[in-house]
Amino acid sequence: SQTIHQWPATLVQPVGSPLSLECTVEGTSNPNLYWYRQAAGRGLQLLFYSVGIGQISSEVPQNLSASRPQDRQFILSSKKLLLSDSGFYLCAWSPDSNSNQPQHFGDGTRLSIL
Amino acid sequence: GENVEQHPSTLSVQEGDSAVIKCTYSDSASNYFPWYKQELGKRPQLIIDIRSNVGEKKDQRIAVTLNKTAKHFSLHITETQPEDSAVYFCAARASYGKLTFGQGTILTVHP
Repeated sequence: SQTIHQWPATLVQPVGSPLSLECTVEGTSNPNLYWYRQAAGRGLQLLFYSVGIGQISSEVPQNLSASRPQDRQFILSSKKLLLSDSGFYLCAWSPDSNSNQPQHFGDGTRLSIL
Repeated sequence: GENVEQHPSTLSVQEGDSAVIKCTYSDSASNYFPWYKQELGKRPQLIIDIRSNVGEKKDQRIAVTLNKTAKHFSLHITETQPEDSAVYFCAARASYGKLTFGQGTILTVHP
């Protein structure tokens, strides 16, 4: 069966520090991968999605970037964090572009910027 | 792009009552509509989904209806229980597997 791993679970970082969040999927190949951010009490904002290695689409211009160095690995990064980057970051995957299959979410990383 | 509107933003019911959450979408090409439940501090989890070739789907106490002509779909929870309390999100997918989510509904079921 497929599983998605996301780490760390929580992270406290000072303003201006770099960020690297990692997500990996097991049990499938060539998944679609997604990064979402959720502010407290708010909805899910799609940040990036990827349909293949090295292919990244950005949904919202911001202080973050994403990379997909391997088929089942998705990384969210920042060179200098802002206070507004605080939130709950969720990685998700779905089987492929054209099938109507659900997205499955990782457990998320709660990021606090001080 | 796709736009999904979800109502109500909060819903409070007594245990045993029914709850209905409604969503509308804008892109007529959307063909897949999942619903997620998110408990406090946890990840969203899929509870039911419906594809555009189906008008209604039921899974125990949960049902979803889809009206493609009107471009709206609804979640129905019957015989609600306190453990149904959570945030519920609807979503619609038009292309490339991208989901557009509604703003969420906070459901509170009072014992």
